[in-house]
Amino acid sequence: GENVEQHPSTLSVQEGDSAVIKCTYSDSASNYFPWYKQELGKRPQLIIDIRSNVGEKKDQRIAVTLNKTAKHFSLHITETQPEDSAVYFCAASGGSNYKLTFGKGTLLTVNP
Amino acid sequence: EAGVAQSPRYKIIEKRQSVAFWCNPISGHATLYWYQQILGQGPKLLIQFQNNGVVDDSQLPKDRFSAERLKGVDSTLKIQPAKLEDSAVYLCASSSGPANEQFFGPGTRLTVL
Repeated sequence: GENVEQHPSTLSVQEGDSAVIKCTYSDSASNYFPWYKQELGKRPQLIIDIRSNVGEKKDQRIAVTLNKTAKHFSLHITETQPEDSAVYFCAASGGSNYKLTFGKGTLLTVNP
Repeated sequence: EAGVAQSPRYKIIEKRQSVAFWCNPISGHATLYWYQQILGQGPKLLIQFQNNGVVDDSQLPKDRFSAERLKGVDSTLKIQPAKLEDSAVYLCASSSGPANEQFFGPGTRLTVL
């Protein structure tokens, strides 16, 4: 089955700096890669996703890049703000039922 | 539109007891998922339904966990008997199709003593 590795497990940045979270996956058949943000005690919420037919996608301060050859994808947050503080999860899916496999998460702390 | 609803929000039981969780997906969403999220980890898929049929239950501990989705709408997840290691947040999610965005409910936090 699919295995998703996520790094780093914790990340602390100063407000206004950029943050990068990286994930690798094992199943070359995976073709959908969402990123979820989960605030403490809240439900995961999709912030951006990318499919295997594109290499990069951007939405305001958030961007995701995908390298299918190397089987890794990354989340980039620019101009970080304190409200960006949360746990971020990457995930990968593919196959006939698009089963999602999540990474273990990255706790991002943005210091004012 | 209304989001995914789950109940109860919290449940505390003793080991070997049974417990049931309920989920109401977003109206019209054919695909429903149950995830287990242990503290400090990402959600792990337990079971995926397409309408009222099971698509994937490969990670469901079938000796103690069961789930059903009658009439292809609401779903229940049951644990019987519970073990200490079942302490986790149980998340329900739904999507309009298996390749589309999944919307999560608020979760049920289960504590097994």
